[in-house]
Amino acid sequence: DVKVTQSSRYLVKRTGEKVFLECVQDMDHENMFWYRQDPGLGLRLIYFSYDVKMKEKGDIPEGYSVSREKKERFSLILESASTNQTSMYLCASSTAGANTGELFFGEGSRLTVL
Amino acid sequence: QKEVEQDPGPLSVPEGAIVSLNCTYSNSAFQYFMWYRQYSRKGPELLMYTYSSGNKEDGRFTAQVDKSSKYISLFIRDSQPSDSATYLCAMSFPGGTSYGKLTFGQGTILTVHP
Repeated sequence: DVKVTQSSRYLVKRTGEKVFLECVQDMDHENMFWYRQDPGLGLRLIYFSYDVKMKEKGDIPEGYSVSREKKERFSLILESASTNQTSMYLCASSTAGANTGELFFGEGSRLTVL
Repeated sequence: QKEVEQDPGPLSVPEGAIVSLNCTYSNSAFQYFMWYRQYSRKGPELLMYTYSSGNKEDGRFTAQVDKSSKYISLFIRDSQPSDSATYLCAMSFPGGTSYGKLTFGQGTILTVHP
């Protein structure tokens, strides 16, 4: 069974803390993504990566950075968390060249910044 | 104006009803269209994918695309309580799908009550 695993389902952090969200996929996918999901706004793309050590900004990259040192792992970093980064964060992966638009999502990490 | 607009609902229907979910989009360059289903506390999963105008059926689900009107729909026949979920439309540009770079609607919350 294909799987995208996000290390933390629920996190509570304080303003100014550095936050790491980890994501691992076991499908040997080239592409990996970080989205955030907010009520009324849907899913918005933060960053994506189509190869190891490659990254591209999505629609809302401000305040975030990412790291992809290994093909199966994609990390989202909040250098200094702020309350407006309270959200559900979804990691996803997909295979390069597939035209079906199928992303495989993890179950999400709900982050609360106090 | 958002590139993709979707009525967030919530939508509540009795079991057995026909459900119609809709999205409009503003960018005619979108060529690939998807519907994702997201159960509570889970990540989204691909439900249907299409790239041409017209209808595509899969069991009780029909995806409809009207590129001239920039309008897509998902119909659910004989709706069941197990269909209760958030439904997200998504779309991409040519080439964007191979990278899995999708633009999502806001999602519609559907409840089917027995």
